[in-house]
Amino acid sequence: GNSVTQMEGPVTLSEEAFLTINCTYTATGYPSLFWYVQYPGEGLQLLLKATKADDKGSNKGFEATYRKETTSFHLEKGSVQVSDSAVYFCALRSGGYQKVTFGTGTKLQVIP
Amino acid sequence: DAGVIQSPRHEVTEMGQEVTLRCKPISGHNSLFWYRQTMMRGLELLIYFNNNVPIDDSGMPEDRFSAKMPNASFSTLKIQPSEPRDSAVYFCASSGGLDNSPLHFGNGTRLTVT
Repeated sequence: GNSVTQMEGPVTLSEEAFLTINCTYTATGYPSLFWYVQYPGEGLQLLLKATKADDKGSNKGFEATYRKETTSFHLEKGSVQVSDSAVYFCALRSGGYQKVTFGTGTKLQVIP
Repeated sequence: DAGVIQSPRHEVTEMGQEVTLRCKPISGHNSLFWYRQTMMRGLELLIYFNNNVPIDDSGMPEDRFSAKMPNASFSTLKIQPSEPRDSAVYFCASSGGLDNSPLHFGNGTRLTVT
């Protein structure tokens, strides 16, 4: 079956530091890949997505590239802000009826 | 676009009582998902519907849980009888039917069973 593996958190960074959150996946076929962000007390929100190999999704300074050869979709941001503190989820969508599979989430804390 | 609407936002009930959580998906979306989130178990898929038909309910914990989608604009998740271990945040999400369609989540219902 499909699966998504994320790096363990929490991740604590100083403001303006470089961020990488690793995500690898296992899937049959050609999944679409997503990053979602969850702020305290809210539901998950789509951050970015990529639908085929070598696509780069980007939004709000965050980027992730769909790497089929390494089955990865790592999230990066060049300079994090305190407001980026949240939980980040990697996900894929594939298969019959387009079932969605989420990773376990990575909590990011950015300190001033 | 009003987004996915869940009600109530908070529910506190006593063990043994029936609890009904409600969800209104985004108009035009044909897939609907119910998730449960806890600190211990993270985000768990309970059930999902496609065109109002339950496709996969393997995540429903036990017979105390049931979900319905009588039409394209409404779904319920019912717990009867409720137990303290059901305390969690329950999310509803909807999406279009294509495999590159993202999920749109509601703000969740925080359930506390005492």
